[in-house]
Amino acid sequence: TQLLEQSPQFLSIQEGENLTVYCNSSSVFSSLQWYRQEPGEGPVLLVTVVTGGEVKKLKRLTFQFGDARKDSSLHITAAQPGDTGLYLCAGSMDSNYQLIWGAGTKLIIKP
Amino acid sequence: DAGVTQSPTHLIKTRGQHVTLRCSPISGHKSVSWYQQVLGQGPQFIFQYYEKEERGRGNFPDRFSARQFPNYSSELNVNALLLGDSALYLCASSRTAGLAFVQFFGPGTRLTVL
Repeated sequence: TQLLEQSPQFLSIQEGENLTVYCNSSSVFSSLQWYRQEPGEGPVLLVTVVTGGEVKKLKRLTFQFGDARKDSSLHITAAQPGDTGLYLCAGSMDSNYQLIWGAGTKLIIKP
Repeated sequence: DAGVTQSPTHLIKTRGQHVTLRCSPISGHKSVSWYQQVLGQGPQFIFQYYEKEERGRGNFPDRFSARQFPNYSSELNVNALLLGDSALYLCASSRTAGLAFVQFFGPGTRLTVL
């Protein structure tokens, strides 16, 4: 059973459109991180959210942590081809030291 | 400062062989974690080491082992390789193992088992 469910698994849209990726769980996380990964490379950290209801912005990317700290979303405004990649969410719990990962959302932005 | 480094970048082995993968964390980071990522999936946790002690272990067989050295670098060893061990092996380092557990990843080692 996947503790962190990401949706959609795959998304292909035109340049300029908006999109939202979701990361959901029935478990409570002490923090949640979003990463972007390109083929053959390691994931690159985009943001960490730690407070329920927290919203962080990174240029055209908006990240939100749910009030109950069980879910998160990533919204991209006016997507560009450079946003193409695998987006992964990962959560940490106080009870252990490992990150729990979602399966990822493969995003393709067509010019 | 240099990021997390891993070696080798690519490796081809045959079934039954043994492999050792290496990782150097970011300077000042005392925790190293290892992950296996199969194509098209998210990383799967293998081990975490903090201050040379194993802090966590994922659901991997005993063929997988690791250690951390006094300089905080780490090795991942896999014995009796199987075809299913083919994957990208990622190493991540972090300053601590506490709240807001932020890890920085290396580029990975691509292992192919034939």
